[in-house]
Amino acid sequence: QKEVEQDPGPLSVPEGAIVSLNCTYSNSAFQYFMWYRQYSRKGPELLMYTYSSGNKEDGRFTAQVDKSSKYISLFIRDSQPSDSATYLCAMSEAQAGTALIFGKGTTLSVSS
Amino acid sequence: DGGITQSPKYLFRKEGQNVTLSCEQNLNHDAMYWYRQDPGQGLRLIYYSQIVNDFQKGDIAEGYSVSREKKESFPLTVTSAQKNPTAFYLCASSTQQGAYGYTFGSGTRLTVV
Repeated sequence: QKEVEQDPGPLSVPEGAIVSLNCTYSNSAFQYFMWYRQYSRKGPELLMYTYSSGNKEDGRFTAQVDKSSKYISLFIRDSQPSDSATYLCAMSEAQAGTALIFGKGTTLSVSS
Repeated sequence: DGGITQSPKYLFRKEGQNVTLSCEQNLNHDAMYWYRQDPGQGLRLIYYSQIVNDFQKGDIAEGYSVSREKKESFPLTVTSAQKNPTAFYLCASSTQQGAYGYTFGSGTRLTVV
């Protein structure tokens, strides 16, 4: 079983839709959870960061972590064509010196 | 502005050649990382370094080498031993507590010709 599972999509939605992106993981030691957005031929950029369980909201984006289910989500409200990108989840254990583990990414396309 | 600079943006390699990808950061980050990205494969860790003059192999280190002589620089050499080097290479850096997230460079696209 892979440490982090993420549905690669592609996911296509109309402008204004609510988008839900998800990852599951197997390592119960993960404490830090991140979502990165990557435009084509660019480096990923950090979008959301969450420690342990709970929700975090930033504008149209909401990140949720459910450690009991080993499940994390990213919701995008009022999706825009500029949201079209690949979204990667990433997570890490608490100790220094451990590298982030990434999901394979979900490709999202928002049509106008 | 602080950030990570990768160069070149595009690189072409002939069979049997070694090539070196540059990565420089001015974020005063202790840790630096190299990832390879292939379609459908996600990000795979090649090497990482937590401090100067020290580095560790990642999941796919075979055919690659690195050095960390300065805090700001973490060059990656793709050797002729790497049989399938065509890929998008990403460099990243973080505080030593890497759990707070990485800052990525813009990537180098390497193609074997």
